[in-house]
Amino acid sequence: EADIYQTPRYLVIGTGKKITLECSQTMGHDKMYWYQQDPGMELHLIHYSYGVNSTEKGDLSSESTVSRIRTEHFPLTLESARPSHTSQYLCASSDRPPGEETQYFGPGTRLLVL
Amino acid sequence: GENVEQHPSTLSVQEGDSAVIKCTYSDSASNYFPWYKQELGKRPQLIIDIRSNVGEKKDQRIAVTLNKTAKHFSLHITETQPEDSAVYFCAGQNRDDKIIFGKGTRLHILP
Repeated sequence: EADIYQTPRYLVIGTGKKITLECSQTMGHDKMYWYQQDPGMELHLIHYSYGVNSTEKGDLSSESTVSRIRTEHFPLTLESARPSHTSQYLCASSDRPPGEETQYFGPGTRLLVL
Repeated sequence: GENVEQHPSTLSVQEGDSAVIKCTYSDSASNYFPWYKQELGKRPQLIIDIRSNVGEKKDQRIAVTLNKTAKHFSLHITETQPEDSAVYFCAGQNRDDKIIFGKGTRLHILP
């Protein structure tokens, strides 16, 4: 079934650890996004990609990095996790022409850094 | 770039009454305005959208209106039901830029 998937769904990790949040979509979308969201609160764009080998930083300063080697995968990496990184991370992909995007969100990863 | 303001941040309405959420945008080049609904513990999902060449769009109990001159658009939910309780996000987008979300409105439907 065409969808967007995120793993892990929940992660508890200690300060200083390196983590990678996985995002994959089977819809063939070129555009992909990472948002940081405290539950039910504002969506903060932290990274986006318009295709393979294209990555850009979003509006919220983030200590994370992303890569886009394949169309379907858009992993997010935190080199050294800190308690301030505790949040929910939502991945999204979109279709349709520029300026008329429908964003399809993944189920999210809830991260707790101790 | 675009800036989207959303009001109110929290809204409580009696079941059966109507709810209205308002958004304003800054970029006159914006021409697409989607609305997303995020239920508790779930992912945001598109519920309705409107393009700048249309003034109003309806889908059953929900409708969106757009005033291009004033640069504001609104979501209207009639005959509210418990399942309408959620956080609603408006957004704006122009042809050359990424989508910009409002900060969200938490809607509570009171029994």
